[in-house]
Amino acid sequence: NAGVTQTPKFRVLKTGQSMTLLCAQDMNHEYMYWYRQDPGMGLRLIHYSVGEGTTAKGEVPDGYNVSRLKKQNFLLGLESAAPSQTSVYFCASSRSDRAGNQPQHFGDGTRLSIL
Amino acid sequence: RKEVEQDPGPFNVPEGATVAFNCTYSNSASQSFFWYRQDCRKEPKLLMSVYSSGNEDGRFTAQLNRASQYISLLIRDSKLSDSATYLCVVNDNYGQNFVFGPGTRLSVLP
Repeated sequence: NAGVTQTPKFRVLKTGQSMTLLCAQDMNHEYMYWYRQDPGMGLRLIHYSVGEGTTAKGEVPDGYNVSRLKKQNFLLGLESAAPSQTSVYFCASSRSDRAGNQPQHFGDGTRLSIL
Repeated sequence: RKEVEQDPGPFNVPEGATVAFNCTYSNSASQSFFWYRQDCRKEPKLLMSVYSSGNEDGRFTAQLNRASQYISLLIRDSKLSDSATYLCVVNDNYGQNFVFGPGTRLSVLP
C-alpha cells in the first residue's frame, strides 16, 4: 500500500518563486492536512480539509493556499516563496470521525529550502 | 502557555532501562490523545492511542489523567531501536485539530 505520497521530496527555490506541493492518499480518507515542521517547534498545522471541495485555515496559513479538487489529492501552494518558508512539510490524512479518535497517517515529507 | 507541552529532553538511557515521558495539555475540552514517534528526518508514525482507562502495548504503557490534563508514556526494557523523538498529540476539535507537542528525544545507549 502506498498510503500517503508527497511530491517532490526535495526542492530549492529562490525568493519570490512559486511552487505546488502534491499530496496523494489511497486510503479513501476524508480528512487531509498540511503541516510544517521547524526545529524545536513541533508540527504546526497550515491548512486542512474535511472533504472534497472544502478547505480551512490552520495555525499558520499565511503565505500558503490549498485546494482539494479530488478526494485523494491535497495541494499546497506557495505563491511567492520567502526564506521564512524554509521547512519540512508533511501531509497527513485520516478517516472522518467526529470524536477525533482516528489517528493521522503521514507522508514522508518534502524538504523545501528558499534562498 | 503552549497548548501541548512535553518534557524538554533529551533523555539518554542505557539499554534495558525504564523511561517515562510526560505531556500536559491546556484545553480541557480535548477529545482524544496519541503518542507518535518520529525518527530522525522521517515522518511521524503512530505509536499508540491513549485511552481514558490507560492502555498497554507490549513494552509501552500510556496513561491519561483528564483532571490534571496530563498524559504519560512509559517504556520498559528500552531497546536501541526505541531511540527517536516522541510526540504527544491532542485532538480538540472533533477530528479537525490535532495539536502536536514539540517532542521529547530519547537516545538508548548500548
